Amino acid sequence: GQQVMQIPQYQHVQEGEDFTTYCNSSTTLSNIQWYKQRPGGHPVFLIQLVKSGEVKKQKRLTFQFGEAKKNSSLHITATQTTDVGTYFCAGSTGNQFYFGTGTSLTVIP
Amino acid sequence: NAGVTQTPKFQVLKTGQSMTLQCAQDMNHNSMYWYRQDPGMGLRLIYYSASEGTTDKGEVPNGYNVSRLNKREFSLRLESAAPSQTSVYFCASSPGTVKAQPQHFGDGTRLSIL
Repeated sequence: GQQVMQIPQYQHVQEGEDFTTYCNSSTTLSNIQWYKQRPGGHPVFLIQLVKSGEVKKQKRLTFQFGEAKKNSSLHITATQTTDVGTYFCAGSTGNQFYFGTGTSLTVIP
Repeated sequence: NAGVTQTPKFQVLKTGQSMTLQCAQDMNHNSMYWYRQDPGMGLRLIYYSASEGTTDKGEVPNGYNVSRLNKREFSLRLESAAPSQTSVYFCASSPGTVKAQPQHFGDGTRLSIL
């Protein structure tokens, strides 16, 4: 069954507003990865987090890995129309690897 | 550099027909993966290969077979297609040999089974 839960499933924001998606696991993760998929496109790898409490930034995107390594978040500051797409987290536990169900982001100009 | 190339991009099959989805990568990656993506389900791993000649089942292997022909190519075969296999199929690769962390995805094959 699904090991990694992601919320919200959908998010509509006005351009310029912030956006956050959350990823939660029932078990401790070895690492977590984030991907972005544009409508009709393929997943594109964004980043990997490995350490407890790790925070990484990519321009307007901030990724966090929880202290207990059971949750993670992706925050986008001042969204732009180019941010439209579905954001997936994916976590590793032992030799298993599970994708979350994704958060679909719509940005209203 | 093409990255990960999948063929075909679209396919319609009748129930019971067979077909092979092709995938090739030109990045000299060790690991290759086949995923299926269904609405509301995220991506689910069908099969994984850490190196030439080795394959490993993922979450949803039933109804599929794979072949890692060489380091570049990893094919997925549906022996007797069923409507439940209607999906978008993605091939992916990564440089490591750990069963995780796919990094580069192909454009996908959109498969419909009637």
